[in-house]
Amino acid sequence: AQKVTQAQTEISVVEKEDVTLDCVYETRDTTYYLFWYKQPPSGELVFLIRRNSFDEQNEISGRYSWNFQKSTSSFNFTITASQVVDSAVYFCALSERWETSGSRLTFGEGTQLTVNP
Amino acid sequence: GAVVSQHPSWVICKSGTSVKIECRSLDFQATTMFWYRQFPKQSLMLMATSNEGSKATYEQGVEKDKFLINHASLTLSTLTVTSAHPEDSSFYICSASKVAKNIQYFGAGTRLSVL
Repeated sequence: AQKVTQAQTEISVVEKEDVTLDCVYETRDTTYYLFWYKQPPSGELVFLIRRNSFDEQNEISGRYSWNFQKSTSSFNFTITASQVVDSAVYFCALSERWETSGSRLTFGEGTQLTVNP
Repeated sequence: GAVVSQHPSWVICKSGTSVKIECRSLDFQATTMFWYRQFPKQSLMLMATSNEGSKATYEQGVEKDKFLINHASLTLSTLTVTSAHPEDSSFYICSASKVAKNIQYFGAGTRLSVL
C-alpha cells in the first residue's frame, strides 16, 4: 500500500527566508506520480506540480523548486524568499496509476507554513 | 485552465434534512470526479470516486446510502448528504480529473454545519 509522510506539522519562518517542506513516500509501483498542492485559508486546493516517477530532474518555477530523489523516496519542496502570501497548508500526494483519469490520490498529513512579516 | 466550481460554499441545515452539493468542471470534461471530506487541521479523506454514467465507488467505511453521489454528465457531479446529523458537519471538497490526464483539480469546498 502507498503512504505519504510529511513529518513537519508546522513551520514558521520570517518573510524572505527560504523554507523546505519535506515529503517521503512509500509505494510498490515502479510507475507513479507525485504532486504538491497548496491549501490557503480559503480552503481550495491549488495544484502546484506533478512529477512522474521516471523524471528525476529538479524543477524550478519562480520562487518554487522541487527536489525529487528516488533513492530516498523523497519529493521535497523549497520556497525561496518566502512571502506572507505563501502562508498555507501544503500537501504532498502520490498516485500509483499511470496516465489514467481515475487515479486515487494518497495525501500526506500536510504542513502548515506560516510566514511572518 | 482547469476550473472546478463547487456550490454552495457554505450551508447550515437542521438535523434530519438532506443537503446537495454540486461540483462542476467549467472548462474541461471530467470522466472522473472525487469527493473528499476534511476535518479541521487534518488531511483529506477520500469518500468516493465518481465516474460519469456509472455508480460511484465508495471507500471503506463510507455509507453509500447516506452520501449519495450522482455523476450524470462529464461536467457535473453531485453529493447529497441524506438525513444529515451533527456528526456530518465537515468540509467537503470535490475534485475533477481531465479525460486521460492524471491531475486532480479541486473545488473551493463546502462547509456543512448541521444543527
